[in-house]
Amino acid sequence: EDKVVQSPLSLVVHEGDTVTLNCSYEVTNFRSLLWYKQEKKAPTFLFMLTSSGIEKKSGRLSSILDKKELFSILNITATQTGDSAVYLCAVGVGSQGNLIFGKGTKLSVKP
Amino acid sequence: SAVISQKPSRDICQRGTSLTIQCQVDSQVTMMFWYRQQPGQSLTLIATANQGSEATYESGFVIDKFPISRPNLTFSTLTVSNMSPEDSSIYLCSAGQIEQFFGPGTRLTVL
Repeated sequence: EDKVVQSPLSLVVHEGDTVTLNCSYEVTNFRSLLWYKQEKKAPTFLFMLTSSGIEKKSGRLSSILDKKELFSILNITATQTGDSAVYLCAVGVGSQGNLIFGKGTKLSVKP
Repeated sequence: SAVISQKPSRDICQRGTSLTIQCQVDSQVTMMFWYRQQPGQSLTLIATANQGSEATYESGFVIDKFPISRPNLTFSTLTVSNMSPEDSSIYLCSAGQIEQFFGPGTRLTVL
């Protein structure tokens, strides 16, 4: 059975800290790995990774994929209170790219 | 990226009734998806809706309970039929074959 496991499930940090969120997966027919940020209802797209070892960056956020070890990390540097959210990792599988989601990491950034 | 809207944004329904959720995309897309997010849980794929073909349902979801229409390349509907309190969830549609973008979701409460 395909599965995506995120850790930690929750994390509390202070503004300015750097955090690393983890996502491991076991799936057949891997196509892509995506990270989303969910604050209220709709997940907002952060990154899509398909190749190992290529870091993607957007401001203070970055992510990398290791297809040999079957995991990805999402780094957030100099955290701000606005980074407080649930971060979802999803793996796209099959020809249609159906997404299998992890349970998410709830990040709380304290002032 | 695609901009996706959903209607209604929320609803409170009585047990035994049905609700149809609409999803509109601002551009033509081949693939649309419907997800459910139960309270405190991550997203679970209900079905994939391709224009011109029957929807493909994931294990645990059936057409009689969640009929889906996909009349054109920018629009889809999901009906939640014969509702029970267990159907209380956020229902989200998404679009995109590689990068998936999500609508704002429909928060459904069944009494």
